Amino acid sequence: DAGVIQSPRHEVTEMGQEVTLRCKPISGHDYLFWYRQTMMRGLELLIYFNNNVPIDDSGMPEDRFSAKMPNASFSTLKIQPSEPRDSAVYFCASSPRGASWNTEAFFGQGTRLTVV
Amino acid sequence: GENVEQHPSTLSVQEGDSAVIKCTYSDSASNYFPWYKQELGKRPQLIIDIRSNVGEKKDQRIAVTLNKTAKHFSLHITETQPEDSAVYFCAASMVDSNYQLIWGAGTKLIIKP
Repeated sequence: DAGVIQSPRHEVTEMGQEVTLRCKPISGHDYLFWYRQTMMRGLELLIYFNNNVPIDDSGMPEDRFSAKMPNASFSTLKIQPSEPRDSAVYFCASSPRGASWNTEAFFGQGTRLTVV
Repeated sequence: GENVEQHPSTLSVQEGDSAVIKCTYSDSASNYFPWYKQELGKRPQLIIDIRSNVGEKKDQRIAVTLNKTAKHFSLHITETQPEDSAVYFCAASMVDSNYQLIWGAGTKLIIKP
């Protein structure tokens, strides 16, 4: 398996533009997580899905952020409109079975987003 | 709210010496404590984890100890090597956060040659 695949690896966009980040989890994993990493705030959980259903989105910073998981092999994180303070590395991760808190989370390579 | 505190934020050790990173957690019902290593520009990767039914776990040069009474756990790296240089994150599962992992702020480990 190629692991968790994220695209793009780097994204530079202008303030106000829509940004869509993509993630393909490891096949067979039940849980998918979106994280944001910054120097100031560290690693923050934004939202997670169980079997394609959003379970907890309390970490989503505001309504400009939305996430979907239309099927077991694909998820998107969208920011509309984007702002400079959204600049960060966004990680997607997946876990292999139901007890997501008790098993390894496999991270993707991340998307480095820069909003200018 | 529930949190995990990690210390130190930066640790510099001589190659060959040992390194210890400590974390404390607030939820006494937490039952899973992983450690992740993140090399510069790369993804976090699990290096070792421990569950609340054991007090210590070892994997070659890496060990983790858990003190449930004091609510803290530590990562120990012996005979450090240059490739150990990275940022290390601890995490704990929190009952009050639906068992999701709460992450420490990270420790930047620098191995001096």
